[in-house]
Order: sequence, then structure tokens, then C-alpha cells
Amino acid sequence: GAVVSQHPSWVICKSGTSVKIECRSLDFQATTMFWYRQFPKQSLMLMATSNEGSKATYEQGVEKDKFLINHASLTLSTLTVTSAHPEDSSFYICSALRYNEQFFGPGTRLTVL
Amino acid sequence: GQQVMQIPQYQHVQEGEDFTTYCNSSTTLSNIQWYKQRPGGHPVFLIQLVKSGEVKKQKRLTFQFGEAKKNSSLHITATQTTDVGTYFCAAVNTDKLIFGTGTRLQVFP
Repeated sequence: GAVVSQHPSWVICKSGTSVKIECRSLDFQATTMFWYRQFPKQSLMLMATSNEGSKATYEQGVEKDKFLINHASLTLSTLTVTSAHPEDSSFYICSALRYNEQFFGPGTRLTVL
Repeated sequence: GQQVMQIPQYQHVQEGEDFTTYCNSSTTLSNIQWYKQRPGGHPVFLIQLVKSGEVKKQKRLTFQFGEAKKNSSLHITATQTTDVGTYFCAAVNTDKLIFGTGTRLQVFP
């Protein structure tokens, strides 16, 4: 149990376009999900906390207008990278909170050309 | 803000040698978790430590939480090639996780 999926697993896009990444909890409901970004050979950095039915809480330094988060249901949170640029290329990982434990998705590798 | 540092940054060992990574927080921790991330993969939960001075073992892995709850360590006895990956500690802050800088382990056969 406690499986989290992400879609797509990888995406390549042109600079200036927007990319949507989905995070789903497959066998449990998650009121809270988290979005992380990981640059090569670096640690995971928390970007925002996604709360079902309310606005996401962004960490300091993360632009909320650039990284749009929608948590419309108890099993789905989406992260949209708007007007992506090469510096947004990274590994984006979500997690879903269940009984005070975070279960991580497999990640989405974004490459912006 | 809270910072969680790990040393060493990299460690290369011969298969069969032991390995230890150390995790240090700038603030007192309520709980600490440890994760393993294989190359190209996502973090996989290993363990959570809660009590001051706590020691937990999982087969060849030994986890320790410092008495002051500001540091922790992960020790692997007799490493195997399957131990390759990056090991992260993560400070638990309410429901948030603050990941440490990570230690990348390479094991040579």
C-alpha cells in the first residue's frame, strides 16, 4: 500500500512553454502533498506544500506564479511550470502524506531546451 | 532557516569495507528520518529515529540519534555493491522534511 505515481516520468519542452506534472496517490487519500526539486548531484529542496481544497504554501524563494500548484482532489496534485526556461530543468519529485509519513513518487525529469 | 549538513559528501569504498555518514542539524530535532536514493531513482524511506540516544539496526545498517538530538549517523557494515546510492537524513519539521546534503556512496567490487 501507499503508492504514489507521477506523470510524466520525463518531459522535454521548449523554452517559454508550460509543463504540467501530475502526482497521484493510488491507494490512499492524501490531504497534503509536497513538491520537491532536485538538481543533479544535489539534495531535495522542498518547493511547496499542497493542501487539498486550499492554496499551496510555498517555501521562501519559490515563485508561486511560476510554479502553479493545484490540489483539486484527495488523490491528485498538479505542478505546472509556467514559461519554463533551461534553468528550470531539474528532477521534480512529489510526496503524499499518510499517517505522518511521506510516500514519494518516482519523480519527473524535466529538460527545457 | 534550519540547515542539515552531512559528511562526507562522497565516499568510495571497497566491497566489504564499512561506511558511515554523519548528519548534523543547526537546531534540535524532534525526529530524524533516513532515506536512500539510487541513481536515477526517488528517495526510499529507511527509518525514523525519535528518542535521544536511540540506536536502531536493520541487518547491516545501524542508525543512531545523538543525545542532544542535533546529530545522527548511519553505519553500514561490510558494504555490498547493492548499497550504492545517496543516503540522506531528513529533519522532520511538523509535516515537512528538511533533507540533508546527502552522502553519495560508491562501492567497488
